[in-house]
Amino acid sequence: DGGITQSPKYLFRKEGQNVTLSCEQNLNHDAMYWYRQDPGQGLRLIYYSQIVNDFQKGDIAEGYSVSREKKESFPLTVTSAQKNPTAFYLCASSIGGLGGPDTQYFGPGTRLTVL
Amino acid sequence: GNSVTQMEGPVTLSEEAFLTINCTYTATGYPSLFWYVQYPGEGLQLLLKATKADDKGSNKGFEATYRKETTSFHLEKGSVQVSDSAVYFCALSPMNTGNQFYFGTGTSLTVIP
Repeated sequence: DGGITQSPKYLFRKEGQNVTLSCEQNLNHDAMYWYRQDPGQGLRLIYYSQIVNDFQKGDIAEGYSVSREKKESFPLTVTSAQKNPTAFYLCASSIGGLGGPDTQYFGPGTRLTVL
Repeated sequence: GNSVTQMEGPVTLSEEAFLTINCTYTATGYPSLFWYVQYPGEGLQLLLKATKADDKGSNKGFEATYRKETTSFHLEKGSVQVSDSAVYFCALSPMNTGNQFYFGTGTSLTVIP
């Protein structure tokens, strides 16, 4: 089955610790995205990558970092610099490379709680 | 610029009622338009999409028509079920913007028996 996996589903972190959220896709998509969702809110774009070894900041990149060393993987690190990291994190991917309209497919999400 | 404005919720309906969730957009050119559904604690699932004016997307009894003249993409369902309770997001993917998406703020729907 093709799809996007995110792990873990629930993650707890102590204040001051960095934590890395995993996102893997086997859809052979070029583009991948990370969003943050707060309770009762819409989605806000953190980072996105259109191709391996390249990524761009989204609207709320401060306190986050990413890497794109492999086409199928786009891990997100939430650093201690992120002031309010407790949220639901969603990874998505799309075919990309079109320079035009595309369709995004989402993973099941990771709920991060800072204790 | 590009943006999506979505009907505020929450919306509460009785089972078998008619559903409309309004969505209007601002974009240049001819974007693709989408509705996504999110069940509690889960990611977003693509519900339907339309890629050009007058296209009708449909899935699981839900429909939405791409209306360029009114820049709208309203979601409708003739008879809702309890299992349709979820949050619905309208979104657009513009032309020539590096595959970025623009989401509405989401509309929460609760269907009561």
